[in-house]
Amino acid sequence: EAGVVQSPRYKIIEKKQPVAFWCNPISGHNTLYWYLQNLGQGPELLIRYENEEAVDDSQLPKDRFSAERLKGVDSTLKIQPAELGDSAVYLCASSQTSDTQYFGPGTRLTVL
Amino acid sequence: AQSVSQHNHHVILSEAASLELGCNYSYGGTVNLFWYVQYPGQHLQLLLKYFSGDPLVKGIKGFEAEFIKSKFSFNLRKPSVQWSDTAEYFCAVLYNFNKFYFGSGTKLNVKP
Repeated sequence: EAGVVQSPRYKIIEKKQPVAFWCNPISGHNTLYWYLQNLGQGPELLIRYENEEAVDDSQLPKDRFSAERLKGVDSTLKIQPAELGDSAVYLCASSQTSDTQYFGPGTRLTVL
Repeated sequence: AQSVSQHNHHVILSEAASLELGCNYSYGGTVNLFWYVQYPGQHLQLLLKYFSGDPLVKGIKGFEAEFIKSKFSFNLRKPSVQWSDTAEYFCAVLYNFNKFYFGSGTKLNVKP
C-alpha cells in the first residue's frame, strides 16, 4: 500500500514569493490534515478536511495561507506571500476516520 | 485550550538501559492517546495507541505505554533500549474525536 505522498520534498524561495505544496493521501482515507512543524517542536494542525470539506481551519493564517481539496482526494496548501517565519516543515497526514494518522515525509520550506 | 506536555526534551541512554518518556495532557473531555516515532531521515510513524480497555498498551518494537487517567498521563516505556531506538518521540492526544494536539517531542539518543 502506498503511503502519503508529498511534493516537493524541499523548497527554497525568497520572501514575498508564493509557494505551493501538494499532498496525495492514502487511497480510501477521507480525512486529510496539514500540519506545520517548526524546529524542535511537535506538529501543529493547520487544517483538517473530511472529504472535500474543511472542517477545522481555525489555526490556518488565512491572510496568507490557503488550501484546497477539490475532489476530496489530493490537496494543495499555498502560501502567498511567504515570510521568513514560514520556514518550517509542512506535513500532510491522512486517516480513514478521526483515528490513526499516517504521515507523509513532509516538505521542508526555507524562506530567504 | 488543550495541551500536551513532554517534559524530557533530550534523553541519552546506553544500550540495554530502561526507558520511560513522560507525557501529560490537559483535561478536555474524551481522549485517545498516541505515541509516534520519527527515526532519523524518516517520517512520523505510529508506535502505539490507546482508545479504550486495558490501560497498558503494547506497541511495536517492544514499546508499551500506560494510560493513567487520574494523572492525565500516558508515559512510554521500554525495558531495554537498543541503538536503533535512537529517534524523536512524540506524544499526541485526540480530544473528543475532533482535534489532535502533539507534544513538543523527546529526542532519544542511545549510545552503543
